[in-house]
Amino acid sequence: EAGVTQFPSHSVIEKGQTVTLRCDPISGHDNLYWYRRVMGKEIKFLLHFVKESKQDESGMPNNRFLAERTGGTYSTLKVQPAELEDSGVYFCASSPRDSASSGNTIYFGEGSWLTVV
Amino acid sequence: AQSVTQLGSHVSVSEGALVLLRCNYSSSVPPYLFWYVQYPNQGLQLLLKYTTGATLVKGINGFEAEFKKSETSFHLTKPSAHMSDAAEYFCAVTPGGYQKVTFGTGTKLQVIP
Repeated sequence: EAGVTQFPSHSVIEKGQTVTLRCDPISGHDNLYWYRRVMGKEIKFLLHFVKESKQDESGMPNNRFLAERTGGTYSTLKVQPAELEDSGVYFCASSPRDSASSGNTIYFGEGSWLTVV
Repeated sequence: AQSVTQLGSHVSVSEGALVLLRCNYSSSVPPYLFWYVQYPNQGLQLLLKYTTGATLVKGINGFEAEFKKSETSFHLTKPSAHMSDAAEYFCAVTPGGYQKVTFGTGTKLQVIP
């Protein structure tokens, strides 16, 4: 079974440009999360989708960040325009609606490493 | 609300020595606790987890952790460090199985030959 996949794995863009990160959750997982870790700090929650609906977007830093999950399958996270402080690793994670069936585990992807110069 | 405190951002041990990474948590409800590991240039991998039941949990690569409610701790241990254990380790808490996870700041483990 494929895990959570993220694309691109690495991206280097200039300040002011736009970047779109994509996440494909594990098939059948209703819950999809975005997290990020910037500048060696702690990994912080950005938002949570249940299917195509935003359940909790309290962690989104500002309106330069836009997340979508059309159709309740893959998700995209767009940063526009990118700023230097957006550099970091963006992790996507997923879990099934019935948490007990996954042993209450959230599965993380390998991350998208973003560098804004 | 939940929070996690990891004591020591960097820990160094000799190869073959005991590994002890400390984690204390705060949670308003019974917590689920996790340890994740991130090897250089890789993603987050689940090492072990505590949800309910036995308080001593065993994970992959010889790691284990003990949930101590009275001490609000979930320290990670391994009897004998291996060079391949060098990585960054994150303690995490969630109030439920699929609610948002709160991470600690991470502890980088260095293993000295």
